[in-house]
Amino acid sequence: AQSVTQPDIHITVSEGASLELRCNYSYGATPYLFWYVQSPGQGLQLLLKYFSGDTLVQGIKGFEAEFKRSQSSFNLRKPSVHWSDAAEYFCAVGARNTDKLIFGTGTRLQVFP
Amino acid sequence: EPEVTQTPSHQVTQMGQEVILRCVPISNHLYFYWYRQILGQKVEFLVSFYNNEISEKSEIFDDQFSVERPDGSNFTLKIRSTKLEDSAMYFCASSDLPGQFFGPGTRLTVL
Repeated sequence: AQSVTQPDIHITVSEGASLELRCNYSYGATPYLFWYVQSPGQGLQLLLKYFSGDTLVQGIKGFEAEFKRSQSSFNLRKPSVHWSDAAEYFCAVGARNTDKLIFGTGTRLQVFP
Repeated sequence: EPEVTQTPSHQVTQMGQEVILRCVPISNHLYFYWYRQILGQKVEFLVSFYNNEISEKSEIFDDQFSVERPDGSNFTLKIRSTKLEDSAMYFCASSDLPGQFFGPGTRLTVL
């Protein structure tokens, strides 16, 4: 069965520090992978996606993620965090890009000035 | 930039009442979805809809739930007889390859 694990429930970083949010997935075939961000009281905004090709994908707001098949991971990174990045981040996996998404439990990011 | 919209933003209802949650997907999208997020929990898939029929549904999506695309723009989720455990944030999403775009959600509170 498909599943997504986000091992870090809560991460705190200082503004300007680098960030890596972990995501591991379990899926039989090559998955479609997504990262979404949810600010308090808001909907889910698509940050980036991976379907095939280059395993390092660039997204909005300066985020990137790297697909590592051998580790079943799709970690999200940002070189320098801004206070406005404080939000909840969800990793999701899909069987194909029109299929349902399976979400992880999310990682709440807190940014200190 | 086109976006998915949802109304109302917050709905309060009594247990046993029917509710209809409304969504306007992005206009050229062909695939539509409903998800829900119970407070403090992960986002869960409810149903997907394509070509005017349900393409997949989860075990959560029982006979109390139904979806409809009554016209060319709206996509609705109906809960026939609400239960306390239906209290959640309900998200609509649409897609026309690649990636699903989500609306801001409707917070449903069942009293």
